[in-house]
Amino acid sequence: DQQVKQNSPSLSVQEGRISILNCDYTNSMFDYFLWYKKYPAEGPTFLISISSIKDKNEDGRFTVFLNKSAKHLSLHIVPSQPGDSAVYFCAARQYGNKLVFGAGTILRVKS
Amino acid sequence: DGGITQSPKYLFRKEGQNVTLSCEQNLNHDAMYWYRQDPGQGLRLIYYSQIVNDFQKGDIAEGYSVSREKKESFPLTVTSAQKNPTAFYLCASGGVEAEAFFGQGTRLTVV
Repeated sequence: DQQVKQNSPSLSVQEGRISILNCDYTNSMFDYFLWYKKYPAEGPTFLISISSIKDKNEDGRFTVFLNKSAKHLSLHIVPSQPGDSAVYFCAARQYGNKLVFGAGTILRVKS
Repeated sequence: DGGITQSPKYLFRKEGQNVTLSCEQNLNHDAMYWYRQDPGQGLRLIYYSQIVNDFQKGDIAEGYSVSREKKESFPLTVTSAQKNPTAFYLCASGGVEAEAFFGQGTRLTVV
């Protein structure tokens, strides 16, 4: 039973435009949501997080939006750069510090 | 330098052998995690530990064992009972905030 779902396996965006990565979840008990970036054969790198009591968090080019009623969150990257090309994972934390990850979305930023 | 270290980076195992993957952190984090990534797939939780001398099974714990005798260390043993152990293994640690930080991973191959 997948509690965190990233339904788009890949996304291709032109450099300078906005990248929007989406994530859906089923467990209403998650208290934190996180986004990670990963290159092949490396560990994921933490990007940005949002508490379940907020609906938006911004850090530079990265903004995460949370819609609790829809159980949906999204990561916006503006402007997109070629170096942003990687796999992006959505993750959620539930009680007891258990972190659950989605399957990932491959982002390709074309120059 | 604070961080999380996994060793070895590459590991080869003969069928029927147990192998232990090392994970050490000096971030003073209470929580530690082990994930497995298969090609084209997301991160699946094997085991996690919230505190020393305590750990919980994740979604795919069968064929694996862990120990948490020290705060800094969370070794993972891949036993002969794990039928498909070839994968990329990732260790992470987390503090009071939600974000977890990952090591660089260990690629295990059964030969």
